[in-house]
Amino acid sequence: NAGVMQNPRHLVRRRGQEARLRCSPMKGHSHVYWYRQLPEEGLKFMVYLQKENIIDESGMPKERFSAEFPKEGPSILRIQQVVRGDSAAYFCASSPGGGARETQYFGPGTRLLVL
Amino acid sequence: RKEVEQDPGPFNVPEGATVAFNCTYSNSASQSFFWYRQDCRKEPKLLMSVYSSGNEDGRFTAQLNRASQYISLLIRDSKLSDSATYLCVVNGNYGQNFVFGPGTRLSVLP
Repeated sequence: NAGVMQNPRHLVRRRGQEARLRCSPMKGHSHVYWYRQLPEEGLKFMVYLQKENIIDESGMPKERFSAEFPKEGPSILRIQQVVRGDSAAYFCASSPGGGARETQYFGPGTRLLVL
Repeated sequence: RKEVEQDPGPFNVPEGATVAFNCTYSNSASQSFFWYRQDCRKEPKLLMSVYSSGNEDGRFTAQLNRASQYISLLIRDSKLSDSATYLCVVNGNYGQNFVFGPGTRLSVLP
């Protein structure tokens, strides 16, 4: 019974490159959330997706960031033209439904380092 | 005012001590509340949900006061393994994201 899976666990990119972070939700979960945690700070919501739909992207930066959750395959968080300030831990969470009382289960995170 | 605020910490307590964490939230429409713990460089893990009547799970007790928009977590007989950052989490309306507090770091000392 695998939990939420994220890969890669660590990603190093140079400024201007693209970063692709992948998240496979727990089996039976159709709701995915992405969060960012800067060093020594709390988690900040980025985006909430269901299969093929973005439900809430109010936490996503307007430029360079995008997310998708296709019908088949993992959810992808894509960061174009990375800058040093993008260095952070990116956590994905999933839940079986989208109700307010649904517990979210987190993956191990991807630690992005931009050189 | 931040949406979710927590005791700034850190809390350094000896083994066996009782420690309490406080959390306040600003959105009166919030519907569900959780405590998560996060170990250094790990993902947050659910510790317990917080119910209106308060709830207890072993050494951990959570309380919710909707009128004051306040949540608490009490840890009794603290263990070394309780050392972590404790995150207060509030969820709003349907489809709303979790809003995390900044966390309170606990160190239980031998």
